[in-house]
Amino acid sequence: GAVVSQHPSWVICKSGTSVKIECRSLDFQATTMFWYRQFPKQSLMLMATSNEGSKATYEQGVEKDKFLINHASLTLSTLTVTSAHPEDSSFYICSARWGRQGTAGYTFGSGTRLTVV
Amino acid sequence: AQKITQTQPGMFVQEKEAVTLDCTYDTSDPSYGLFWYKQPSSGEMIFLIYQGSYDQQNATEGRYSLNFQKARKSANLVISASQLGDSAMYFCAMRPLTDSWGKLQFGAGTQVVVTP
Repeated sequence: GAVVSQHPSWVICKSGTSVKIECRSLDFQATTMFWYRQFPKQSLMLMATSNEGSKATYEQGVEKDKFLINHASLTLSTLTVTSAHPEDSSFYICSARWGRQGTAGYTFGSGTRLTVV
Repeated sequence: AQKITQTQPGMFVQEKEAVTLDCTYDTSDPSYGLFWYKQPSSGEMIFLIYQGSYDQQNATEGRYSLNFQKARKSANLVISASQLGDSAMYFCAMRPLTDSWGKLQFGAGTQVVVTP
């Protein structure tokens, strides 16, 4: 149980275009979704936290107008990289929190490798 | 603020040997959870083991065990009988239970390479 499906797994796009990444919780309701960015050989950097039906909370230094997050339902959260540039090339991964506060666990999507050319 | 430190950027271990991955943390929260994840080259994050700060016993999950020393604020992962498939990046993470968002803070990671 507790599976998160992330699509696409990889995408190549031209500079200036927008790319949408989807994360779906398949067998549970994800009230909270986290979006991370990871550069090669580095750790996961939290970009934003989203709760279903409300605006995402962005970490300091993350451009909210560039990285649009929508968490419209309990099973779907999307990250749109707008007007992508080569420096946005990275590995993006989502994570859904399940369970109650003290016993919550986390399920990660399989990640999206974005290359902007 | 919380901080997770993994001091070993990379390690080689021989197949069938045990390996210990270090993790220390710094937090003022009295309640927290500690996690270890494995990330193979394919990129997915695989949950390995969890330790709650008030758990009396060290967590174990198959070949994985967590050496939790609360006073030293360390939560080292021990992998016994290493296998070639254990080659991956390993991340230690912490969640303060007082954080209503439930954000995870990750360490820098340790790259493990298992050799035949």
